[in-house]
Amino acid sequence: GAVVSQHPSWVICKSGTSVKIECRSLDFQATTMFWYRQFPKQSLMLMATSNEGSKATYEQGVEKDKFLINHASLTLSTLTVTSAHPEDSSFYICSARDNRGNNEQFFGPGTRLTVL
Amino acid sequence: GENVEQHPSTLSVQEGDSAVIKCTYSDSASNYFPWYKQELGKRPQLIIDIRSNVGEKKDQRIAVTLNKTAKHFSLHITETQPEDSAVYFCAASISQGNLIFGKGTKLSVKP
Repeated sequence: GAVVSQHPSWVICKSGTSVKIECRSLDFQATTMFWYRQFPKQSLMLMATSNEGSKATYEQGVEKDKFLINHASLTLSTLTVTSAHPEDSSFYICSARDNRGNNEQFFGPGTRLTVL
Repeated sequence: GENVEQHPSTLSVQEGDSAVIKCTYSDSASNYFPWYKQELGKRPQLIIDIRSNVGEKKDQRIAVTLNKTAKHFSLHITETQPEDSAVYFCAASISQGNLIFGKGTKLSVKP
């Protein structure tokens, strides 16, 4: 199947710093990528839909100025958590939808963010 | 918008038994229903999906059924094995739309 990578796999940072997470589709092009947040023992919550060449669409309650999304190419989307605080600590997972496919989404391995 | 309910939240079965997880959705326009398996700390893996033009789909020990009238779909795992233990998520979406996930079912298969 299609492969999606995510970097870094984990990060520990101090409160107030910014953290950038990259999501790449390795063997397919993805006009649309999605960013999810998952707290322990909970489901995946969609944060935003990232569209190549245009602004991301954020879900209700997600601050667009805090979670900056850039989708500059058909294989790369980035999520920057700005001025991170301990409550932002979570598992962040991206997914990418293959342009050739039928709405099937392929997930990245996730990034574990811990804010001290 | 779409709302997906998933039951049960936890399920414990004996190895070799069958496991059934059920989901309901609210938006009758939804037409794509995937199931994901997620092991602790890992990415969700698509295990099977079904589209609204089909009532049932099977892949070895895994099957999914869809009742469009009642707006519910189910995952069936037969001859369960310890390695089936994981959290399973159902999801629903409209074509090219966002996936809306259920809250997950933690399946434990006891040897």
